[in-house]
Amino acid sequence: DVKVTQSSRYLVKRTGEKVFLECVQDMDHENMFWYRQDPGLGLRLIYFSYDVKMKEKGDIPEGYSVSREKKERFSLILESTSTNQTSMYLCASSLWGVHGSNQPQHFGDGTRLSIL
Amino acid sequence: AQKVTQAQTEISVVEKEDVTLDCVYETRDTTYYLFWYKQPPSGELVFLIRRNSFDEQNEISGRYSWNFQKSTSSFNFTITASQVVDSAVYFCALRRMDSSYKLIFGSGTRLLVRP
Repeated sequence: DVKVTQSSRYLVKRTGEKVFLECVQDMDHENMFWYRQDPGLGLRLIYFSYDVKMKEKGDIPEGYSVSREKKERFSLILESTSTNQTSMYLCASSLWGVHGSNQPQHFGDGTRLSIL
Repeated sequence: AQKVTQAQTEISVVEKEDVTLDCVYETRDTTYYLFWYKQPPSGELVFLIRRNSFDEQNEISGRYSWNFQKSTSSFNFTITASQVVDSAVYFCALRRMDSSYKLIFGSGTRLLVRP
């Protein structure tokens, strides 16, 4: 089974702090994704990466950056947190390529981040 | 533009009732994929089913069944004889058949199954 592990289930930070959310997958997937989930809005894509050191903006990249130095790890960085970044953050991974186009994304348990 | 609408915000049923979760999508693509995910209270999204736009056959898996109708742009999900463990948020999602891999999610339907 695919395992996507997010480093923290719950985090509480203060406005202006720098936050790193880490995600690791164990299935050698090329694609990795970061979403945020808010009530009534579903999941919205922040960034995704299709290879090491490669990244593309999703629908709501403002206020976030990402890092992918190794294939199995994808980090989401909040440089200076604000209260509107309080949310559930979900990481996912999937295969790439001709065999990957119809493959589902596999999700981690999520990190519930509260910014005070 | 692509869009997924799950008009039912929350549904409450009593155990053993059947329940249908609606999903309506919009896309200009002629080929695409549709997905359903389940999010139990633990938080992890669990993949349930994928359907490609070529295949309009309905699918049944145990107590779960899916009705895909391209003519009405709907991909509805029915749980037969619901159980308390079915309580979760269910998301419908759409993806293009290209290299973008971007999933467009609906806002989700929270299902509560009461004993």
